[in-house]
Amino acid sequence: KAGVTQTPRYLIKTRGQQVTLSCSPISGHRSVSWYQQTPGQGLQFLFEYFSETQRNKGNFPGRFSGRQFSNSRSEMNVSTLELGDSALYLCASSTTPGASSTDTQYFGPGTRLTVL
Amino acid sequence: GENVEQHPSTLSVQEGDSAVIKCTYSDSASNYFPWYKQELGKGPQLIIDIRSNVGEKKDQRIAVTLNKTAKHFSLHITETQPEDSAVYFCADSGAGSYQLTFGKGTKLSVIP
Repeated sequence: KAGVTQTPRYLIKTRGQQVTLSCSPISGHRSVSWYQQTPGQGLQFLFEYFSETQRNKGNFPGRFSGRQFSNSRSEMNVSTLELGDSALYLCASSTTPGASSTDTQYFGPGTRLTVL
Repeated sequence: GENVEQHPSTLSVQEGDSAVIKCTYSDSASNYFPWYKQELGKGPQLIIDIRSNVGEKKDQRIAVTLNKTAKHFSLHITETQPEDSAVYFCADSGAGSYQLTFGKGTKLSVIP
């Protein structure tokens, strides 16, 4: 079974631009979560989608948004990019919502975003 | 909010020795504790997890122990090999939570 895939793998943008990242979950997984990874803050939860609905959102500004399609693929968007948005953006999929005592999250390779 | 503290931040061991990484969590409702291994340029890979109804779980050279009273859990790697070199993250999730809270990571170096 194919793993979680993320596209593109690398992106370079300038301040003020916007960016859209894509995530395709493992076949049969309906939940997709997004995390931001930086050297200073580590792995931080952005949001989670299940059945096209946002179930939970982390402590990030409204410039960060996402959506999920009927085939469970998910996109996240960052508008008005800032230098501090440079990070590895990871998505993870699971069969049921969230990381619980009955399910497991599997991560993709991430998208490396650099903001100049 | 929930906080997970992970120690040490770096760990160097000789090949064949054991490595132990410890994490402490704050939310007493946490009931799921996975460990992830992240190699350079890759996403985190789940290596072992434990649920709150057990105290220990083992998978070949890797084991995890959980002490719910003290609110800490540990990763044990025995007979370390150079390919074990990576960054290891602990995480937890509370009952009804939709997210994992991660520790800051431990960079493990296995010296041949």
